[in-house]
Amino acid sequence: GDSVTQTEGQVALSEEDFLTIHCNYSASGYPALFWYVQYPGEGPQFLFRASRDKEKGSSRGFEATYDKGTTSFHLRKASVQESDSAVYYCALGYYAQGLTFGLGTRVSVFP
Amino acid sequence: GPKVLQIPSHQIIDMGQMVTLNCDPVSNHLYFYWYKQILGQQMEFLVNFYNGKVMEKSKLFKDQFSVERPDGSYFTLKIQPTALEDSAVYFCASSLFGNQDTQYFGPGTRLLVL
Repeated sequence: GDSVTQTEGQVALSEEDFLTIHCNYSASGYPALFWYVQYPGEGPQFLFRASRDKEKGSSRGFEATYDKGTTSFHLRKASVQESDSAVYYCALGYYAQGLTFGLGTRVSVFP
Repeated sequence: GPKVLQIPSHQIIDMGQMVTLNCDPVSNHLYFYWYKQILGQQMEFLVNFYNGKVMEKSKLFKDQFSVERPDGSYFTLKIQPTALEDSAVYFCASSLFGNQDTQYFGPGTRLLVL
């Protein structure tokens, strides 16, 4: 079945550091790929998506590029702030089906 | 972004009782979903619903689970009877279209079965 692997379980950074969270997927078809962010006590918030090879999604300074060749959708941000502290989820989805989520990456940014 | 509401935010019940979780999806959305997340574990898909019918369900969607959206009001997840392993956070989501469209999530209902 389909799966999403996030390499980093936890990441600790200082403000203005560069953030990378690695996301690799395994899927039988051509899914859409998503990044969601979850703050304590809240549901996942949609960050952005991509649905074609080489398509770049971006929002709030975060970006990721759909790479079918390496089956990846790595999240990057050039300069993190303390307010970026949250759990980040990579997910894949097909037509009106349930999303398959990764385990999530807890990002802690210290001033 | 679009808001999905869930009621209640927390629920504690005894094993064997029935519970209904309520979701108020984004007003013009047509597709509805439930997910389950056990503390510290992965978010997992339970079921999706469109045009009054279940479209797809996972193996986690046990016979004791049911969903409905009577008269276009709340989208509900009912568990009858509940079991200890049903303790989790349940998230509702909705999307306008089904074609790989973005799903928007509610804040979750924290269910504890004693």
